[in-house]
Amino acid sequence: KAGVTQTPRYLIKTRGQQVTLSCSPISGHRSVSWYQQTPGQGLQFLFEYFSETQRNKGNFPGRFSGRQFSNSRSEMNVSTLELGDSALYLCASSLEKRGKVPNEQFFGPGTRLTVL
Amino acid sequence: QQQVKQSPQSLIVQKGGISIINCAYENTAFDYFPWYQQFPGKGPALLIAIRPDVSEKKEGRFTISFNKSAKQFSLHIMDSQPGDSATYFCAASKSYTGGFKTIFGAGTRLFVKA
Repeated sequence: KAGVTQTPRYLIKTRGQQVTLSCSPISGHRSVSWYQQTPGQGLQFLFEYFSETQRNKGNFPGRFSGRQFSNSRSEMNVSTLELGDSALYLCASSLEKRGKVPNEQFFGPGTRLTVL
Repeated sequence: QQQVKQSPQSLIVQKGGISIINCAYENTAFDYFPWYQQFPGKGPALLIAIRPDVSEKKEGRFTISFNKSAKQFSLHIMDSQPGDSATYFCAASKSYTGGFKTIFGAGTRLFVKA
């Protein structure tokens, strides 16, 4: 079974631009979460989607948004990029099914975003 | 109440030694405590996890020790190998009707000297 895939792997943008990152979860997984990883800050939760609905949201400004499609693929968008948005953006999927650990997450390789 | 404090930030261990990473949490509602291992250029991978009704879980060279009353848990890597050199994250997760929420520690960079 293929793992979580994220595209693109690397991205360079300039301040003020916007960016869209894509995530394809493991087949059958309907929950997709997004995290921002920066040195010394660990993984900061952005938001989680389940069946095309945002279920949870972290403490990030409104410039960060996301969506999920009917096939569970998800995208996140960052508008008006700032230098501080440079980070590794990770997507994780999880399977919610009776008898399974609901919060067991499987991560993709991430998208490295650099804002100049 | 939502924080997970992880220590140390970095750790250097001799090959064959024991690596110990500690985490502490505040919210007693957490019901799942995973550890993730991350190599450079890769996403975190689930290593081992424990539920709060168990005090210890062992998988190969990796052991989680869990102290519910102290709200602390730790990862022990026995017979540490150079291939274990990576960043380790502890996490605490809470599941509820309609979803779950996971909080991660800041990470520990482990270097195992050959």
